[in-house]
Amino acid sequence: GAGVSQTPSNKVTEKGKYVELRCDPISGHTALYWYRQSLGQGPEFLIYFQGTGAADDSGLPNDRFFAVRPEGSVSTLKIQRTERGDSAVYLCASSLGTGTGHEQYFGPGTRLTVT
Amino acid sequence: AQSVAQPEDQVNVAEGNPLTVKCTYSVSGNPYLFWYVQYPNRGLQFLLKYITGDNLVKGSYGFEAEFNKSQTSFHLKKPSALVSDSALYFCAVRDRFSGGYNKLIFGAGTRLAVHP
Repeated sequence: GAGVSQTPSNKVTEKGKYVELRCDPISGHTALYWYRQSLGQGPEFLIYFQGTGAADDSGLPNDRFFAVRPEGSVSTLKIQRTERGDSAVYLCASSLGTGTGHEQYFGPGTRLTVT
Repeated sequence: AQSVAQPEDQVNVAEGNPLTVKCTYSVSGNPYLFWYVQYPNRGLQFLLKYITGDNLVKGSYGFEAEFNKSQTSFHLKKPSALVSDSALYFCAVRDRFSGGYNKLIFGAGTRLAVHP
């Protein structure tokens, strides 16, 4: 079946602009995660959704970052007033449930470059 | 603080030889540990996990990992490496304060290069 998809695969934007990154999880997966992977580092947690609600947004670096999942499926990560330090690969993952028995399936990521 | 360390940036091994990719963790209480692999331009793929039970965990593509509580390690192993195993490998631990879901803390990654 189809895996997690993310669009766009690459996004280049100018400093100060607004960007939206989209994640389409595996059908039926209720849990959705966003991570950020900077060059040479492992993914870092940003936010977790259970259904439509953000159950944990403790990883969002500041109030320029916001994410939604209005219908409990597709999620959009929104970044306002982008800065060069926001350049990274943004990864989305989904899982069938939230217990340890439910692995996270990752999308290929969106590479964001802020110039 | 909870953390995962992967002490080697890169591991080089000849095809057919055994491979080990090291991971140590710092977590209070019982850890839930994971290994993921990342191929170029593809998402992270789950390899295996340790939750409880046998210290030797078997996973996908012939990989296995050994949980060692006294050494706080969870090294990834494979008896015979393939060139196609060349990729970036991440060790991760579940944040035990995440409230019951899999909020993962990742290591920095180890690049595995298998030479013909």
